[in-house]
Amino acid sequence: GQQLNQSPQSMFIQEGEDVSMNCTSSSIFNTWLWYKQDPGEGPVLLIALYKAGELTSNGRLTAQFGITRKDSFLNISASIPSDVGIYFCAGAASTSGTYKYIFGTGTRLKVLA
Amino acid sequence: DVKVTQSSRYLVKRTGEKVFLECVQDMDHENMFWYRQDPGLGLRLIYFSYDVKMKEKGDIPEGYSVSREKKERFSLILESASTNQTSMYLCASSSVTLGEQYFGPGTRLTVT
Repeated sequence: GQQLNQSPQSMFIQEGEDVSMNCTSSSIFNTWLWYKQDPGEGPVLLIALYKAGELTSNGRLTAQFGITRKDSFLNISASIPSDVGIYFCAGAASTSGTYKYIFGTGTRLKVLA
Repeated sequence: DVKVTQSSRYLVKRTGEKVFLECVQDMDHENMFWYRQDPGLGLRLIYFSYDVKMKEKGDIPEGYSVSREKKERFSLILESASTNQTSMYLCASSSVTLGEQYFGPGTRLTVT
């Protein structure tokens, strides 16, 4: 199935550094979602975005819905060891009373203490 | 807190067995989904349901069926398990008004 382009694929950072990742698509979405997944666990929803240009924060996480509605960005400030995991985006398009979701390829984050 | 629960975290089944994976959500969501997740392939949609007794095939429905008799419960059935169905299975739910999709903890299924 289709996947969204997400970059970077993986990154090693030092504890305390800020992290940025993004998702791009050729399609327009009504909603952008960002998830974190730990090994062996289900994805946990971090942030949901509903409007083009919207900027939303959840603690040290900030995400933006791109104005073209074809991209989204996630920033993590002052990273800590428990930020380790896989982050992925999802674009959601409303159709016929339901939503169709397309997921990003994921960014694997490793934090060096 | 939204909660999506799955009946088992780990399952080991033999080839040819019939396997039931159950999912329950407590948010009164209309839409429920079953995905499988494999390394390098990402999340792939097996089936989804937009209402009780309604279902639609996703991208990889072959070898699977589903049942939704109650709004809160969505079951995935492997009619005759095969080794290529060894995977992580994830259930999710969402409302029709907002696009937020919530996942369960996953079931790691191994078919030997």
